[in-house]
Amino acid sequence: GENVEQHPSTLSVQEGDSAVIKCTYSDSASNYFPWYKQELGKGPQLIIDIRSNVGEKKDQRIAVTLNKTAKHFSLHITETQPEDSAVYFCAASSEDSSYKLIFGSGTRLLVRP
Amino acid sequence: DGGITQSPKYLFRKEGQNVTLSCEQNLNHDAMYWYRQDPGQGLRLIYYSQIVNDFQKGDIAEGYSVSREKKESFPLTVTSAQKNPTAFYLCASSPRGQTDTQYFGPGTRLTVL
Repeated sequence: GENVEQHPSTLSVQEGDSAVIKCTYSDSASNYFPWYKQELGKGPQLIIDIRSNVGEKKDQRIAVTLNKTAKHFSLHITETQPEDSAVYFCAASSEDSSYKLIFGSGTRLLVRP
Repeated sequence: DGGITQSPKYLFRKEGQNVTLSCEQNLNHDAMYWYRQDPGQGLRLIYYSQIVNDFQKGDIAEGYSVSREKKESFPLTVTSAQKNPTAFYLCASSPRGQTDTQYFGPGTRLTVL
């Protein structure tokens, strides 16, 4: 079945710097890749997603890139702010996995003011 | 105010007791899901339902049960057969199926005393 690995597990950056979180997946049939942000004690919130028919998607300071050949996708946050501090999860799904979302183990991002 | 609600936010139970977690959505979504989250880990799928009166086991269904009698409600029962029930439980919904974006509720933290 699908396996999603996420790196790094923790990431500390200075305010204003960029942050990059990377995920790899095993199922070449995966075609949907969402990213979620989870603040302490709250449910995950979708921040951006990408489907396999595009290689990049951007929404203001957040962007996601997808490399289907290498089976990896990345989250890029530019001009980081303290309120970006949270745990970020990537996920992948495909028809072969009965469309189940398989989540990475999460990245704890700390933005230092 | 549309969204997904979970109650209660915190729940305590004694060993050997069954407990039911509530999940309600007014988004008119067809599909609903239950995930379990343990500290420092990603989300694992317990059960999911793509239509009323139908549901399927996820990856860690043992010790749990669900029902889907109404489109807007998907309660989860944690039974005494679940050997390690202390966790953060998250409910989600999506418009049609699992390739659609999943939206999460605020979660219920269950602690077994």
